[in-house]
Amino acid sequence: QSALTQPASVSGSPGQSITISCTGSSDDVGSYDLVSWYQQHPGKAPKLIVYQVTQRPSDVSNRFSGSKSGNTASLTISGLQAEDEADYYCCSYAGSTSYIFGGGTKLTVL
Amino acid sequence: QMQIQQWGAGLVKPSETLSLTCAVSGGSFNGYYWSWIRQSPGKGLEWIGEINQSGSTHYNPSLKSRVTLSPDTPKNQFSLRLNSVTAADTAVYYCASRRSRWYLDHWGQGTLVTVSS
Repeated sequence: QSALTQPASVSGSPGQSITISCTGSSDDVGSYDLVSWYQQHPGKAPKLIVYQVTQRPSDVSNRFSGSKSGNTASLTISGLQAEDEADYYCCSYAGSTSYIFGGGTKLTVL
Repeated sequence: QMQIQQWGAGLVKPSETLSLTCAVSGGSFNGYYWSWIRQSPGKGLEWIGEINQSGSTHYNPSLKSRVTLSPDTPKNQFSLRLNSVTAADTAVYYCASRRSRWYLDHWGQGTLVTVSS
C-alpha cells in the first residue's frame, strides 16, 4: 500500500478558495466512495471534516466541501479564514479491510 | 458526545514493547471499530490497525507481525501493544473510533512515544 498523493503545500489569501487534491488508484479512491478528510492544527489531534467524499459532520462549516473524479478526490475550502491554516489529510478505504492516508498538505493563509 | 482518553508509557527502550490504552466515554463501545493511528515527527498519518468489541481485528500488513490489539468491553477500553520497537516507531500514537463507512469521527488526544535507551 502506497500513501495517497497530496501536494505538500497550498496557500491562499483570506476570502479566497483553495482546492487540495488527493490522488490514489483504482484500488482505493477510484473504487470506493469512502474518502474522508481531516484537519490537524499543530499539536492537536486530527479532526474529521468530510466523509464519504462529500458529507460534512454537523459541526463543520459549509465552507468545506469534498468531491471525487476517477482516482482523485478533492477538498475545497471557500472563503478562507485565518483559522483554516492547518495540515489536511485525505484517507480512503483500500479494500481488504484496510485504509490509507495521504501524505498531508500544509495550508498557509497569507 | 463521545470522548476518548488515552494513556501509556511515553518512553520505551529499543526491542521492548510499547503499550497504550484508550477509554471511551459518552457513547457506545459497541458498533464501532476502534482504531490506532500513528504520526512520526513531522510526518503524515499511518494506520496501524483496529478492533471491535468482540475482538475482530484488521491490521496494516506492514505492522501486523508486531501488533496486538485487545478490547476490554466491560470497561469500554481498548489497548495496543507493539513489540520489538525501534527508533522508527517513535511517533505520536492516536486512537479513534471508526464508523462503518470507514471514517474516523472521534479521536483521542494523542500520546507521544519515544523509543530510546
